[in-house]
Amino acid sequence: QSALTQPASVSGSPGQSITISCTGASSDVGGYNYVSWFQQHPGKAPKLMIYDVSNRPSGVSNRFSGSKSGNTASLTISGLQAEDEADYYCSSYTNSYTRVFGGGTKVTVL
Amino acid sequence: QVQLQQSGPGLVKPSQTLSLTCAISGDSVSSNSAAWNWIRQSPSRGLEYLGRTYYRSDWYNDYAVSVESRITINPDTSKNQFSLQLNSVTPDDTAVYYCARSRGGGGTAFDIWGQGTMVTVSS
Repeated sequence: QSALTQPASVSGSPGQSITISCTGASSDVGGYNYVSWFQQHPGKAPKLMIYDVSNRPSGVSNRFSGSKSGNTASLTISGLQAEDEADYYCSSYTNSYTRVFGGGTKVTVL
Repeated sequence: QVQLQQSGPGLVKPSQTLSLTCAISGDSVSSNSAAWNWIRQSPSRGLEYLGRTYYRSDWYNDYAVSVESRITINPDTSKNQFSLQLNSVTPDDTAVYYCARSRGGGGTAFDIWGQGTMVTVSS
């Protein structure tokens, strides 16, 4: 199962909105509403930010939102803050009864 | 709150077996609404899903194709924990290994993670 495709880096100024894409295929992202997004700071475990495409776990800021169109899922961070600088990963269920991750996107707050 | 505590060696020799344990507090390995997963991360492979164990009136496992011939994930109900065994390791298995809980239909909502264990495969 190939990894999902994410841009290597995305940057924005404080207060701006940025969007990270996660492209897969009909066998994973496009076929199921089981896409999750994770935030990872250096040396820390990933943290769940979005699940089932667009649902936020309790405690996650509403500045984070998720969506999907066809084989591409997206994570949008609005009102960008310095603490949002981190690596972000998407994950999807696949038709092979397993899960696959994206390659990760480094978000830089300018 | 739910916590996962990992334990196991940080150095394994090539061709030997990597063994890690994940102790659960605040939830049960026998939960009918959770699955218990192993995931690893390395600079070369990024985040890689390895497999899981879960209970739905019986015990089930599913494993990633990339490791399915070498991996075993077992629950231990007496200690409320689960384990990872990866056989015949090579330096390519060097990574940070995480255990994680998932809930929901697709099993991608990994909402609780262990602290991670850096495992180096070297002689």
